Amino acid sequence: AQSVTQLDSHVSVSEGTPVLLRCNYSSSYSPSLFWYVQHPNKGLQLLLKYTSAATLVKGINGFEAEFKKSETSFHLTKPSAHMSDAAEYFCVVSPVKGSQGNLIFGKGTKLSVKP
Amino acid sequence: SQTIHQWPATLVQPVGSPLSLECTVEGTSNPNLYWYRQAAGRGLQLLFYSVGIGQISSEVPQNLSASRPQDRQFILSSKKLLLSDSGFYLCAWSRPPSDTQYFGPGTRLTVL
Repeated sequence: AQSVTQLDSHVSVSEGTPVLLRCNYSSSYSPSLFWYVQHPNKGLQLLLKYTSAATLVKGINGFEAEFKKSETSFHLTKPSAHMSDAAEYFCVVSPVKGSQGNLIFGKGTKLSVKP
Repeated sequence: SQTIHQWPATLVQPVGSPLSLECTVEGTSNPNLYWYRQAAGRGLQLLFYSVGIGQISSEVPQNLSASRPQDRQFILSSKKLLLSDSGFYLCAWSRPPSDTQYFGPGTRLTVL
């Protein structure tokens, strides 16, 4: 069965320090993987998507994620956190590329950024 | 560019009242459309999706229903709201063959 696990429900960093949000997935096929960000009372915004073209995926706002098949991981990183990065982040898997209607969402990681 | 709209942005309704939430997409044609609910502490739950006009797939049996009267319009309805229907409702679209979904701004529903 396909699944996605976000290993931390809450991460707190200081402004200017690196961000690491961890995600592990399980899929029987070669999946598409996504990271979305949600600010309070807003919709989800796509940060980046992995589609097998490159294992290191660069997204918006300085975020990037690395696909590691051997570890079944897709961790999200950013070298230097900004106050505006405070939000909830969702790791998402589409178990079969091009499949419709059955994205699997992680439970989310809330990122806090201290001044 | 594509834009997705949802309204209303917020809604407070009494138990037993009807519901109609609307979602429209601009700038694309023949999209797949989705309704999700995000309840406190329960993550994101897919409620319905549609691959075309009049074609609705239900993921979770409940007192909600969905309709797609036009290509880029998706409506979520209920005849009688329950307290448990409270939550943040998100509409999303994708354009086959891509599986990337793009989300609307959401509707906050509070049932009292």
